[in-house]
Amino acid sequence: DAGVIQSPRHEVTEMGQEVTLRCKPISGHDYLFWYRQTMMRGLELLIYFNNNVPIDDSGMPEDRFSAKMPNASFSTLKIQPSEPRDSAVYFCASSSTGTSGKYEQYFGPGTRLTVT
Amino acid sequence: QQPVQSPQAVILREGEDAVINCSSSKALYSVHWYRQKHGEAPVFLMILLKGGEQKGHEKISASFNEKKQQSSLYLTASQLSYSGTYFCGTRGSARQLTFGSGTQLTVLP
Repeated sequence: DAGVIQSPRHEVTEMGQEVTLRCKPISGHDYLFWYRQTMMRGLELLIYFNNNVPIDDSGMPEDRFSAKMPNASFSTLKIQPSEPRDSAVYFCASSSTGTSGKYEQYFGPGTRLTVT
Repeated sequence: QQPVQSPQAVILREGEDAVINCSSSKALYSVHWYRQKHGEAPVFLMILLKGGEQKGHEKISASFNEKKQQSSLYLTASQLSYSGTYFCGTRGSARQLTFGSGTQLTVLP
């Protein structure tokens, strides 16, 4: 399997612009997680989906952030309008319910977002 | 509630041992350990399930004391490749993980 795929790997944008981050989870995985990582706040969970349905979005910082999962193989995280404080590395991770009960998560390579 | 990791950083020589601790204030179903190298994504190391299981991965092992809500990661005879930041992620009754702030491990030759 190719693992979790994210695009773009790097994004530089100006304040006020819309930014869309994309994620393709591992095939067969039914959970998808979006994280944000910064030096100050560490690794934060933003939102997660189960079978394409958002389960918990309490980590989404504000209304400027939205996430969708239209099908089992694709998810987007959108920031509109973007602000400099949104600069971070955004990771997508996926997990399978399976039968082991272990729920290990596999991370994508991340998108490094810089908002100037 | 974010789990607390200690120490924040550790430097050791190749071949030495290290222990990284993770503690939570809430009841846990499992503890997940990840290693992240600079500029890369976190990589899954192992899961500790409720029940005090000890898991191993090469010369890296871990324990989980569910009564104390603590986990420890043991790195034995460390190698240069072990350098990185180690995160524990804790899972309570909900499905999501909450990550600690990380422990930066540096192994010197």
